[in-house]
Amino acid sequence: DAMVIQNPRYQVTQFGKPVTLSCSQTLNHNVMYWYQQKSSQAPKLLFHYYDKDFNNEADTPDNFQSRRPNTSFCFLDIRSPGLGDAAMYLCATLWVGTGSTDTQYFGPGTRLTVL
Amino acid sequence: DAKTTQPPSMDCAEGRAANLPCNHSTISGNEYVYWYRQIHSQGPQYIIHGLKNNETNEMASLIITEDRKSSTLILPHATLRDTAVYYCIVAYSTLTFGKGTMLLVSP
Repeated sequence: DAMVIQNPRYQVTQFGKPVTLSCSQTLNHNVMYWYQQKSSQAPKLLFHYYDKDFNNEADTPDNFQSRRPNTSFCFLDIRSPGLGDAAMYLCATLWVGTGSTDTQYFGPGTRLTVL
Repeated sequence: DAKTTQPPSMDCAEGRAANLPCNHSTISGNEYVYWYRQIHSQGPQYIIHGLKNNETNEMASLIITEDRKSSTLILPHATLRDTAVYYCIVAYSTLTFGKGTMLLVSP
């Protein structure tokens, strides 16, 4: 059963047109991450939520925003996508606390194409 | 920046053990050694992690040197489906991925 679900798997948007990527989880984990992975590169952390607390990486562009309306869902908003934002976007979850296995669970990713 | 050094690629024959090395000479006392792998066009998959002691699970074994400056991931009987990029990461909480090792398992 899928535990970290990302929709859609493939997203095409136009240059400058806002786009939202979705992630949901059935694990009830308190931490959710968004990574960006460009072609032939390693995943790069953009930001994460620890419960409702948002933590932005220092070099994440302002063009990238995130929302976490509840424990299960987290969204990645790209306000004005540029050609350089074409990438695979990965969502991951982690449980921090009693019983933690220190293991991040990744979704299958959403591949974003910018035309 | 990633704190690990891995060979960019390795080959392994199907059925043989795959031994993937990783150097992490600047590891801090509270940082774990994690291994993840990423099969083409999929999300990374957790394999194993450890702090000081060697670890084994159903997927692999992790051997950490006594000084903790290097480690080896062992896939005891590699299969074609183990072809992937393997990432060695040292971290306390936030994962910083390096370039990883592309393991190619051949028949």
